[in-house]
Amino acid sequence: ELKVEQNPLFLSMQEGKNYTIYCNYSTTSDRLYWYRQDPGKSLESLFVLLSNGAVKQEGRLMASLDTKARLSTLHITAAVHDLSATYFCAVDRTGGGADGLTFGKGTHLIIQP
Amino acid sequence: EAQVTQNPRYLITVTGKKLTVTCSQNMNHEYMSWYRQDPGLGLRQIYYSMNVEVTDKGDVPEGYKVSRKEKRNFPLILESPSPNQTSLYFCASSYLSGANVLTFGAGSRLTVL
Repeated sequence: ELKVEQNPLFLSMQEGKNYTIYCNYSTTSDRLYWYRQDPGKSLESLFVLLSNGAVKQEGRLMASLDTKARLSTLHITAAVHDLSATYFCAVDRTGGGADGLTFGKGTHLIIQP
Repeated sequence: EAQVTQNPRYLITVTGKKLTVTCSQNMNHEYMSWYRQDPGLGLRQIYYSMNVEVTDKGDVPEGYKVSRKEKRNFPLILESPSPNQTSLYFCASSYLSGANVLTFGAGSRLTVL
């Protein structure tokens, strides 16, 4: 059974601090996805990591992928309140992705002034 | 505007009363899927479709049906809803080629009494 585990599931942090969310998965997939969900809203795509060693950055968020360790990280630099949301990582259910994604349980991030 | 449209957005119904949640996309995506989101469980795939007349079960298909008679539409049918189907439902779509980046609908919150 494919497993996607995120840590932590809940994170409260102060503005200006740095932190990392971890995503471990059990498949041999080379692709990993990060999504963001604001309270009461839908999910939007943040990053798609397509190969081992891939790194993507947008603003204060940076995602990386280590397929050998089956680990992806989402690093937050100098957090601001607007980044408060739930972050999900996901992997292809099978190779090729033709049958969808399996999601982690999500990391609920609260950034306090 | 490229989007996935779900209806209804909110619904309260009673056990056993058949209902349909519609989903339509205007991006000519081959792949469509339904997920349910429950607190502490993340998103779990119910059914997916890789093209017209091609559907398959996801991780939690029990109690649900789907059909894909047109490329743009992928309705979710609950023949006899039960309280354990109270959840937030998301429809999503994507191209089959390349990375499986899903575009999500706004969500449908269903309560079964």
